Amino acid sequence: AQKVTQAQTEISVVEKEDVTLDCVYETRDTTYYLFWYKQPPSGELVFLIRRNSFDEQNEISGRYSWNFQKSTSSFNFTITASQVVDSAVYFCALSGYNFNKFYFGSGTKLNVKP
Amino acid sequence: DVKVTQSSRYLVKRTGEKVFLECVQDMDHENMFWYRQDPGLGLRLIYFSYDVKMKEKGDIPEGYSVSREKKERFSLILESASTNQTSMYLCASSLWGQRGETQYFGPGTRLLVL
Repeated sequence: AQKVTQAQTEISVVEKEDVTLDCVYETRDTTYYLFWYKQPPSGELVFLIRRNSFDEQNEISGRYSWNFQKSTSSFNFTITASQVVDSAVYFCALSGYNFNKFYFGSGTKLNVKP
Repeated sequence: DVKVTQSSRYLVKRTGEKVFLECVQDMDHENMFWYRQDPGLGLRLIYFSYDVKMKEKGDIPEGYSVSREKKERFSLILESASTNQTSMYLCASSLWGQRGETQYFGPGTRLLVL
């Protein structure tokens, strides 16, 4: 079974705070891919990152960083020094051997207040 | 940049009407997808297509059909719209041939069925 769980439905922080969005996945595939997308109020999902199951190296891109841990089946996303423009719904997704299917989490709504 | 466009951002229809949602991508992607997004449920796959005139059912195909006559265009059809089809509809496209290809999304269509 393939499943992605984002237990945090909504998070509110004040600008400049750091925030971590959790993503836990389930899969029996040995090769799989994990994704994060951002959905601002405008509605379009914007691709942020893709990770394959053989690369556990953490990644940093500006204020964004991702922590991939196979031991805990987690792929968490941290925003450092959050800004109002980070306010959005964030989705984590999993793609396994069947490339046609993405399994999305239910999303985490992030509110960054000035 | 990948560009996925959808014919309408907002649509209001009456119960029983036939509804067409159009999606066009300009990156020569083989795969195209239709999702619906509902609060708390994340994105659920309705149909996808990996080639012209080819289609596969996703997780929630009931009440929907699709058409792909040209590579760049993928249409979602609601044969007889019902109020429970009020939702946000998202189209996506991706390359075929490797696992874990990133899906790129359009801006979405918010459909209200009265």
